[in-house]
Amino acid sequence: GAGVSQTPSNKVTEKGKYVELRCDPISGHTALYWYRQSLGQGPEFLIYFQGTGAADDSGLPNDRFFAVRPEGSVSTLKIQRTERGDSAVYLCASSPQDEGTQYFGPGTRLLVL
Amino acid sequence: QKEVEQDPGPLSVPEGAIVSLNCTYSNSAFQYFMWYRQYSRKGPELLMYTYSSGNKEDGRFTAQVDKSSKYISLFIRDSQPSDSATYLCAMSWAGNMLTFGGGTRLMVKP
Repeated sequence: GAGVSQTPSNKVTEKGKYVELRCDPISGHTALYWYRQSLGQGPEFLIYFQGTGAADDSGLPNDRFFAVRPEGSVSTLKIQRTERGDSAVYLCASSPQDEGTQYFGPGTRLLVL
Repeated sequence: QKEVEQDPGPLSVPEGAIVSLNCTYSNSAFQYFMWYRQYSRKGPELLMYTYSSGNKEDGRFTAQVDKSSKYISLFIRDSQPSDSATYLCAMSWAGNMLTFGGGTRLMVKP
């Protein structure tokens, strides 16, 4: 079946601009996660949704970052007033409700100039 | 000190060798342990999933968890050039957010 999909695959923007990154989880998966991966590092947790609500947003670095999942399926990560330090690969993962396994998408490579 | 430590490598081995990859961690609450494989410019791919302590085998891969030592391992038998990738260990305490190691880059030479 279809895996987790993310769009766009690459995004180049200028410092100060607003960006939206989209994640389509595996059908039927109720849990959805966003992570950020810098070059040569492991992914770092940003936010976790169970259904439509953010169950844990403790990893969001500041209030420029926000994520939504209005219908409990597709999620959008929104970054306001982008900074060069936001450049990274943004990964989305989904999981069945009662399992710990997470399945990752290919990521969105964000470059802030 | 990071919660999960992993030697970044690179680790270079000849084809057919047995590979041992390891992580140590500091949070004794971790209960779920995973290994992911990540090819260049791709997302992490789940290889092995273990709950609590013990061994788990799947084909050429064996995962071991020693909670008393806070140490987990992944063994790859009969390594192939296609195994060349970065291997990430990951763990969680309640089956939710994952804490990752920094990854070990593995190169298997023909």
